[in-house]
Amino acid sequence: DSGVTQTPKHLITATGQRVTLRCSPRSGDLSVYWYQQSLDQGLQFLIQYYNGEERAKGNILERFSAQQFPDLHSELNLSSLELGDSALYFCASSVGSSSNQPQHFGDGTRLSIL
Amino acid sequence: KNEVEQSPQNLTAQEGEFITINCSYSVGISALHWLQQHPGGGIVSLFMLSSGKKKHGRLIATINIQEKHSSLHITASHPRDSAVYICAVKGSQGNLIFGKGTKLSVKP
Repeated sequence: DSGVTQTPKHLITATGQRVTLRCSPRSGDLSVYWYQQSLDQGLQFLIQYYNGEERAKGNILERFSAQQFPDLHSELNLSSLELGDSALYFCASSVGSSSNQPQHFGDGTRLSIL
Repeated sequence: KNEVEQSPQNLTAQEGEFITINCSYSVGISALHWLQQHPGGGIVSLFMLSSGKKKHGRLIATINIQEKHSSLHITASHPRDSAVYICAVKGSQGNLIFGKGTKLSVKP
């Protein structure tokens, strides 16, 4: 058990809809990272928050947004969903803000767009 | 060319065999991560290393910074080692860049 909790585990929705994925980091970790894993692209970094502030941004679409709340949990919002957004979305957490630290991964949310 | 290349893409081994998975990268790094992704999808961080060698049980990871190359070795492989092994390095923006993974299948 990594200590990182992601909900929901599975999400099925339709094109054009909006969903929110939630992540609770491991106790004591201040950084939250969001990753997308699709069949053809592999794991891709989306965005990182550290102690409530956006720290780094990857290939995150404008239709996607995220935030980290004062209690350090994070949410990833995906809107105007397209078929290509179907993927596994992982959250990871680490103590500090650098990628030179071990990251602890949640079990992922599997998003299916019909 | 991908910044992180792994080989082989797929690997089938018999139980007990010694396994090597390779990772080459083209960016300057300060640390490299090895991850294991189980068939169910969960990801576990195996190693993070910036020089030399690390060992954990039957797993050994090595890195050669000058040659921009890392290897993950599994000794006395077991069917429960069957998983996708992913290497990742820190990119110029500070985020992790991932290889496409090596799918390992260990047959009993």
